[in-house]
Amino acid sequence: QITLKESGPTLVKPTQTLTLTCTFSGFSLSTSGVGVGWIRQPPGKALEWLALIYWNDDKRYSPSLKSRLTITKDTSKNQVVLTMTNMDPVDTATYYCAHRPVLGIFGVDEVFDPWGQGTLVTVSS
Amino acid sequence: EIVLTQSPGTLSLSPGERATLSCRASQSVSSSYLAWYQQKPGQAPRLLIYGASSRATGIPDRFSGSGSGTDFTLTISRLEPEDFAVYYCQQYGSSLTFGPGTKVDIK
Repeated sequence: QITLKESGPTLVKPTQTLTLTCTFSGFSLSTSGVGVGWIRQPPGKALEWLALIYWNDDKRYSPSLKSRLTITKDTSKNQVVLTMTNMDPVDTATYYCAHRPVLGIFGVDEVFDPWGQGTLVTVSS
Repeated sequence: EIVLTQSPGTLSLSPGERATLSCRASQSVSSSYLAWYQQKPGQAPRLLIYGASSRATGIPDRFSGSGSGTDFTLTISRLEPEDFAVYYCQQYGSSLTFGPGTKVDIK
């Protein structure tokens, strides 16, 4: 059974850097094709993809947020860390991490299943 | 960036009825790289469909996906009480983007 859990601060001040950790179990980030992604959801709004890291340490970022994001992994600890710089009140959201599975023969689907429970981050002074 | 539009914004139906949800892309989604998720209040999203028409593990066969190019559809053949939720489409043909969602509520 795959599980993921996000951890980090619930409140950050504007201009600060947010660091979130995703701790997972039930899979290894050294398995070919596997990845972990981060997605956020402002209260009452839609989902927004942020970043994705793969088993081979390749990384992808949302073009609109790329300059502010860094995603890293620690395979031995089963953790993925996301940092987002220069936080602003508009970044207030629930932040989810999610497993990028290997589906079908080729494993090319960039989808997320399952997801962690999410963590609400509020940006306020 | 590919922008996804979902319609209708809200769909009011009764249990047992058929639900048809639309997802339209601003440009063609290559290789039908489109997925659908279900999200219930206070919960994380759950993957339903990937590759436009493949059901994820454990998803009942009343959920089906279709479409290609710029027009995609999620169909729920007969709504069960647990199906009332918000549904999001996501494309992964060019970067990754989500649609704004369709809420399916009880009429």
